[in-house]
Amino acid sequence: GQQVMQIPQYQHVQEGEDFTTYCNSSTTLSNIQWYKQRPGGHPVFLIQLVKSGEVKKQKRLTFQFGEAKKNSSLHITATQTTDVGTYFCAGPRFGGGSNYKLTFGKGTLLTVNP
Amino acid sequence: DTGVSQDPRHKITKRGQNVTFRCDPISEHNRLYWYRQTLGQGPEFLTYFQNEAQLEKSRLLSDRFSAERPKGSFSTLEIQRTEQGDSAMYLCASSARADIEAFFGQGTRLTVV
Repeated sequence: GQQVMQIPQYQHVQEGEDFTTYCNSSTTLSNIQWYKQRPGGHPVFLIQLVKSGEVKKQKRLTFQFGEAKKNSSLHITATQTTDVGTYFCAGPRFGGGSNYKLTFGKGTLLTVNP
Repeated sequence: DTGVSQDPRHKITKRGQNVTFRCDPISEHNRLYWYRQTLGQGPEFLTYFQNEAQLEKSRLLSDRFSAERPKGSFSTLEIQRTEQGDSAMYLCASSARADIEAFFGQGTRLTVV
C-alpha cells in the first residue's frame, strides 16, 4: 500500500538555527500537504503543493515538491520557540472524491531550545 | 467558534463497553473525514463522507466500528466492545470541496482500561 515516510523523527535545535524535514512517498502524488501539530493539539493545515518542482514560502518556512512528485521538504529558517511541534506531510490516498483522504507520515518532532 | 467541534474531548471506558463520539463539521462543509492517531504516529484515515453518503472505509475500520452522518451535517463514530488497542485520539475533519483544505477538530481522546 501507499507509504509516506519522514525523516528525521526528532530534531532538537537551538533557537535561531535552521531546521529541515524530508518526506518521501512510495508512490507518485497528485499533491502533497504539510500540517503542524502543537503538543496536545490537533493538526493544522500549513500548505498544499501541486506542481512538480514547486516551491512555496510562508515567512520563514519554505516548502518544496520534488520533480518526480514523490518527495518534499520543509525548511524553517532561524527557528523560534513558537515553531515547536510535530510537522507532518501527507499525500492523497488512491481513489477519487477528495484530496483530503490522506496518508500521513509519522512526522518530525521539532523542539527548540531558547 | 465556527471550527470543527468534537464531543467529548476525553473518554475513559472499560474494555468491552460501547462508546460513541460526535463531530460537528464547519457549517456547509459537505465532506467529513474521521482519522485515528496513536502516540508518536501520524493520523490514519478511517472513513470519509460526502454529504450523508459514506464513500470510503479504511481496512482499519473493523466490524466493531460504525460511522454515520444521517442528515449530512454532524457525524457519529461508534466503537462496540472496545479493546485496549482502540485507545487513541479520534480526529474529525471537514472540507467544503475536494480540493479545499480540510480543517481538523481538536479530537476525542479515548482511553480503554
